[in-house]
Amino acid sequence: DIVMTQSPLSLPVTLGQPASFSCRSSQRLVYSDRSTYLSWFQQRPGQSPRRLIYKVSNRDSGVPDRFSGSGSGTDFTLKISRVEAEDVGVYYCMQGTQWPGTFGQGTKLEIK
Amino acid sequence: QVQLVESGGGLVKPGGSLRLSCAASGFSFSDYYMSWIRQAPGKGLEWLSYISTMSTYTNYADSVKGRFTISRDNAKNSLFLQMSSLRAEDTAVYYCGRVDFWSGNPPIPRSGMDVWGQGTPVTVSS
Repeated sequence: DIVMTQSPLSLPVTLGQPASFSCRSSQRLVYSDRSTYLSWFQQRPGQSPRRLIYKVSNRDSGVPDRFSGSGSGTDFTLKISRVEAEDVGVYYCMQGTQWPGTFGQGTKLEIK
Repeated sequence: QVQLVESGGGLVKPGGSLRLSCAASGFSFSDYYMSWIRQAPGKGLEWLSYISTMSTYTNYADSVKGRFTISRDNAKNSLFLQMSSLRAEDTAVYYCGRVDFWSGNPPIPRSGMDVWGQGTPVTVSS
């Protein structure tokens, strides 16, 4: 299985400041169709996960444009340009290049 | 609106069985792959299984292969997970999810789930 490693595990951020989440895969995530299947999910406290980003940088419908995804190969980043209170929660990266799809262990975003 | 509602969770003894259901509404259920994902207490997410639109393709994580069976009834807009030989380590919240993109040969889900249910808790304990 492809192992997804996220860092940091905890991210304290001041409201209005940017936040950056890192995700590294144990294998390159480029599939034979030349697409890279890396997604990001947000899980607010007490809620189900919600997909934010798919295929590295495509935002899901309704996701604020302060969220952006980037990266290639084995290194990927989710950025929040200005953190708001509603952004508190755990963020997971997930690869879909190979079955089983695997998630990182998550990064917990907290307000400083 | 698009909605997934899981049911069937509860307390079961080790070695026992349980059948989870997921009722879909607000979209054309038969047009989508569906999946089950779980989250152990205080832990991360584990993708357990998926099923194709016409049930042609299914697959499982090694942790549940041979013990869990995914199925669907398109006429009833429902997804199921039959769980047997349950272990303490199967204790988790179980989510069903809609898969919006698949590819390859055989086709597998590629971008996770775009719609998630609220989850149903399963506790395996004597």
